[in-house]
Amino acid sequence: GAGVSQTPSNKVTEKGKYVELRCDPISGHTALYWYRQSLGQGPEFLIYFQGTGAADDSGLPNDRFFAVRPEGSVSTLKIQRTERGDSAVYLCASSPTRLGTQYFGPGTRLTVL
Amino acid sequence: KNEVEQSPQNLTAQEGEFITINCSYSVGISALHWLQQHPGGGIVSLFMLSSGKKKHGRLIATINIQEKHSSLHITASHPRDSAVYICAVSSMNYGGSQGNLIFGKGTKLSVKP
Repeated sequence: GAGVSQTPSNKVTEKGKYVELRCDPISGHTALYWYRQSLGQGPEFLIYFQGTGAADDSGLPNDRFFAVRPEGSVSTLKIQRTERGDSAVYLCASSPTRLGTQYFGPGTRLTVL
Repeated sequence: KNEVEQSPQNLTAQEGEFITINCSYSVGISALHWLQQHPGGGIVSLFMLSSGKKKHGRLIATINIQEKHSSLHITASHPRDSAVYICAVSSMNYGGSQGNLIFGKGTKLSVKP
């Protein structure tokens, strides 16, 4: 079956612009996670959804970052007033249960000029 | 100090060698994950374990809960094993969200023919 997909694969934007990153999880997976990976580092947790609700958003760095999952499937990570420090690979993962194996998407590489 | 520490950071081996990557963690966990990331590629889950040992092909993962330590072993290494191997834990310290992962920085493995 289809795995986790993310679009776009690459996004280049200018400082101050607004961006949206999309994640399509594996069908039926109720848990969805967003992580951010900077060059040479391990991924860092951003936000976790269980169904439609954000169960834990403690990893979001500031209020410029927001994520939604309105129908409990596709999720969108939104970044306002982008800064150069937001440049990273944004990873999405889904899992059939809260504590199950996580299946990762290929990531979106965001570059803020 | 990072909550998840891996060693070594970089590892170069000759084809056929037995490889060990170590992971230590400082938080209470519900599970430990070993992940593989190829250059420019997505992350693939290799193992999820909470006790004992698991084996899949040439890969073996062990965990010692009392010592808060895990190892990933690769037997008869091959150039196609070259990748970044990441240790991650599902912490029990994050309120109700015990599923989000805390990652180590990864071990970059290069296997020479």
